[in-house]
Amino acid sequence: EPEVTQTPSHQVTQMGQEVILRCVPISNHLYFYWYRQILGQKVEFLVSFYNNEISEKSEIFDDQFSVERPDGSNFTLKIRSTKLEDSAMYFCASSGTGGDGYTFGSGTRLTVV
Amino acid sequence: DAKTTQPPSMDCAEGRAANLPCNHSTISGNEYVYWYRQIHSQGPQYIIHGLKNNETNEMASLIITEDRKSSTLILPHATLRDTAVYYCIVRVAANAGNMLTFGGGTRLMVKP
Repeated sequence: EPEVTQTPSHQVTQMGQEVILRCVPISNHLYFYWYRQILGQKVEFLVSFYNNEISEKSEIFDDQFSVERPDGSNFTLKIRSTKLEDSAMYFCASSGTGGDGYTFGSGTRLTVV
Repeated sequence: DAKTTQPPSMDCAEGRAANLPCNHSTISGNEYVYWYRQIHSQGPQYIIHGLKNNETNEMASLIITEDRKSSTLILPHATLRDTAVYYCIVRVAANAGNMLTFGGGTRLMVKP
């Protein structure tokens, strides 16, 4: 069964540093997403991406965040200057057209120290 | 998207059917009901979705009431591996890029 692959599985970074979280969505999917989940809290939407541009973003997705699809297979989330409160699990997801369910990756645990 | 209400937790005996309810009384005519689950800290996993007819796949069945104000996810023979948080989400499926809004879900504990 096709999978969404995320790397790394765990990243530790110092406050103020830039991090890039990487995702390889399912190859024939057209919509890409980032969600995050702070420990013990709900899964929160960050951003959706379609046709090489952001289609929707939440209030969390401020100027410190950016997304990119640098080639035909990768989808990245960059946090420019990390804060302690950015510590969370970050999930990438993709979906095809037609309203089928998303496929989520297994996540990257980001720890900001 | 319409809001959903789910019980915070449920228990089920292994091998028995698990019936997880969801209320979505403000659902609109073009909104679908989606179910996902999250096992421990893994990424959410899509289970099933439907508009108004009952749906079944290899994982579960979805029963939607005639007025569409509530639904039930049925795991016919729950196993220990079905222990997870189950999320009922309402969204407009026609816009495949629409975000999912996760609530607190139902924590299902399957017991031996």
